Amino acid sequence: QVTLKESGPVLVKPTETLTLTCTVSGFSLSNARMGVSWIRQPPGKALEWLAHIFSNDEKSYSTSLKSRLTISKDTSKSQVVLTMTNMDPVDTATYYCARSKWFDPWGQGTLVTVSS
Amino acid sequence: QLVLTQSPSASASLGASVKLTCTLSSGHSSYAIAWHQQQPEKGPRYLMKLNSDGSHSKGDGIPDRFSGSSSGAERYLTISSLQSEDEADYYCQTWGTGIQGVFGGGTKLTVL
Repeated sequence: QVTLKESGPVLVKPTETLTLTCTVSGFSLSNARMGVSWIRQPPGKALEWLAHIFSNDEKSYSTSLKSRLTISKDTSKSQVVLTMTNMDPVDTATYYCARSKWFDPWGQGTLVTVSS
Repeated sequence: QLVLTQSPSASASLGASVKLTCTLSSGHSSYAIAWHQQQPEKGPRYLMKLNSDGSHSKGDGIPDRFSGSSSGAERYLTISSLQSEDEADYYCQTWGTGIQGVFGGGTKLTVL
């Protein structure tokens, strides 16, 4: 069974750096086509794609957030990590990770609130 | 620039069928998309990948009531025999130039 689970802080302060971890099971991050994306959803709003890391370690970032994002993976730990710098209250959202380019399946999500 | 356009809302009666639309912007009519369902207070769930020729591959456990079809730049999700649990937000998704993930704005489906 393929699962993904997000973990990280519930609350961060403005200007801080957010670090989120996606731990996967049921597949290997080294398998072809088994990349992982990060997606977020502010409360009451639509989904927004953030970043993707491919099995060959190639990375892609949202054009609008590229300067603040870094995605990486540790295949041996089955983990994909997303960092987002200079957090702002508008970054308050539920953050999801999802497998492959078609997001099958999604993790359960983790709500991150940005507030002082 | 690739844009996916969805109607903000749709409604249909219990037991009826509904067809949701996702429109690809000009020049992108050959693109495949995926449909995702988000029930209230839950995370999204992958429904299917839908190709430009209408062929589709559904996710594990997705009922036969959910089907996809395509016509030109339009991608459709049809839900038949509507049930109360089908009331949800439905998002289409694809990939644009430069390996950029793209979502439509979502359609909120109300089951009457």
